[in-house]
Amino acid sequence: DVKVTQSSRYLVKRTGEKVFLECVQDMDHENMFWYRQDPGLGLRLIYFSYDVKMKEKGDIPEGYSVSREKKERFSLILESASTNQTSMYLCASTGTTWADTQYFGPGTRLTVL
Amino acid sequence: KNQVEQSPQSLIILEGKNCTLQCNYTVSPFSNLRWYKQDTGRGPVSLTIMTFSENTKSNGRYTATLDADTKQSSLHITASQLSDSASYICVVSPTTDSWGKLQFGAGTQVVVTP
Repeated sequence: DVKVTQSSRYLVKRTGEKVFLECVQDMDHENMFWYRQDPGLGLRLIYFSYDVKMKEKGDIPEGYSVSREKKERFSLILESASTNQTSMYLCASTGTTWADTQYFGPGTRLTVL
Repeated sequence: KNQVEQSPQSLIILEGKNCTLQCNYTVSPFSNLRWYKQDTGRGPVSLTIMTFSENTKSNGRYTATLDADTKQSSLHITASQLSDSASYICVVSPTTDSWGKLQFGAGTQVVVTP
C-alpha cells in the first residue's frame, strides 16, 4: 500500500511565524505535490516537484516555498504565516506516467492566529 | 473562472438508493478525467480515470461516464451505503505531461442517511 504521511494533522501558529509542513511517501514516486483546500473551492496547486531539487510553481505559490532534498520527502514552508493561509494543506505523490494514481496524505489543518 | 464545474453542490440520499453527480468542464485540450472520493478529514482517494476515448469506467458500485464531445462526465453511485457519505471531486487534465495543470472541481458533498 502506498503511504503518504504528513507531519501534523492539526497545527496552530501565530501570524509572522515560519511554518514547516513535511510530507513523506514510501513508493519511490518522482512527482510530489502541495495543494491547499478551502471550502467551496477546488484543490489549488501551490508547488509540485518532479525530481529531487526540482520544483515548479503552481497556481498560488505566493507566500510559500518548498524543499525536496530527498526523493521521498517534500516540505512546504510558509516564510511568514498570515491569517489568509489558514487552510487544509494536502500533500500528494504519483509516478511518472499520466495514468498513474495520485495518492494523497491525510492533510494538515493549519490555523494562523 | 473554474474550468471544472460540479453539480449539485450537495445532496442527501437514502441508503440503498442510487444517485448521479455531474461534472462539466471547459478545459482544453483534454487528456483525461478522474473522479476522487474524499471522506471528511482525509485526503482524496482515486476512484476512476478515463481518457477521451473511453465513455464509461466502473469501480465497484461507482460508474463514471464521459462525453468528450459535450465535455460532460457523471458519476453514478448504485445502491448507496452509509460509507458513501463523502465529497466527490472531478479532476480534468489537459495533456498527458501536465501533472502540474490538473483542474479540480469544488466537489459534490453526498450524505447518505439510514
